[in-house]
Amino acid sequence: DFQMTQSPSSLSASVGDRVTITCRASQGISNYLAWYQQKPGKVPKLLIYGASTLQSGVPSRFSGSQSGTDFTLTISSLQPEDVATYYCQKYNSAPHTFGRGTKLELK
Amino acid sequence: EVQLVQSGAEVKEPGDSLKISCKGSGYTFTNNWIGWVRQMPGKGLEWMGIIYPGDSDTKYSPSFQGQVTISADKSISTAYLRWSSLKASDTAMYYCARSNLWGLDYWGQGTLVTVSS
Repeated sequence: DFQMTQSPSSLSASVGDRVTITCRASQGISNYLAWYQQKPGKVPKLLIYGASTLQSGVPSRFSGSQSGTDFTLTISSLQPEDVATYYCQKYNSAPHTFGRGTKLELK
Repeated sequence: EVQLVQSGAEVKEPGDSLKISCKGSGYTFTNNWIGWVRQMPGKGLEWMGIIYPGDSDTKYSPSFQGQVTISADKSISTAYLRWSSLKASDTAMYYCARSNLWGLDYWGQGTLVTVSS
């Protein structure tokens, strides 16, 4: 069975820190990987698609990268408004599995 | 402007049936997949399935196959998620979202379903 392993499950960082979240796919998914941000009580928001393409309107401090089946979301300089839970999702073929999420908090 | 507007919150009893809706506007409804996502209280996002309103092609997650039915009425640009017999464990927020080559780019506001006796 396909597995999407997201880590860490939680993360505490300071304003200005560089933050990295990773997802590892158990099988090749090409670059069909998206990242979402969900703030408490809000609707999820698409940040990045195609592993590295920034959705329109998303701040440039967010970036995505890929190395084989390993995918990374990076926030170059953490801002207070980035406190949220982040999810990866593969969408090359059904089911479009989500990662378990990474809860990002301020230190 | 692309919009997905979902039906309102529901409170149901175990064993009840339910159909919630998601109406699309601002784009060609028949040319884009619509997906459904579950979020149980305090938990993560779970992909349930998708439908292509143009021909009603539907794909389900194995976890939800047989538990729910996804459908669409392209004449009124609306997708549906239906349960024939609700369980307490179906209590969750349900989101619809437009699904395409760049993931889930537009989301509905969510429909909270509460199942309790």
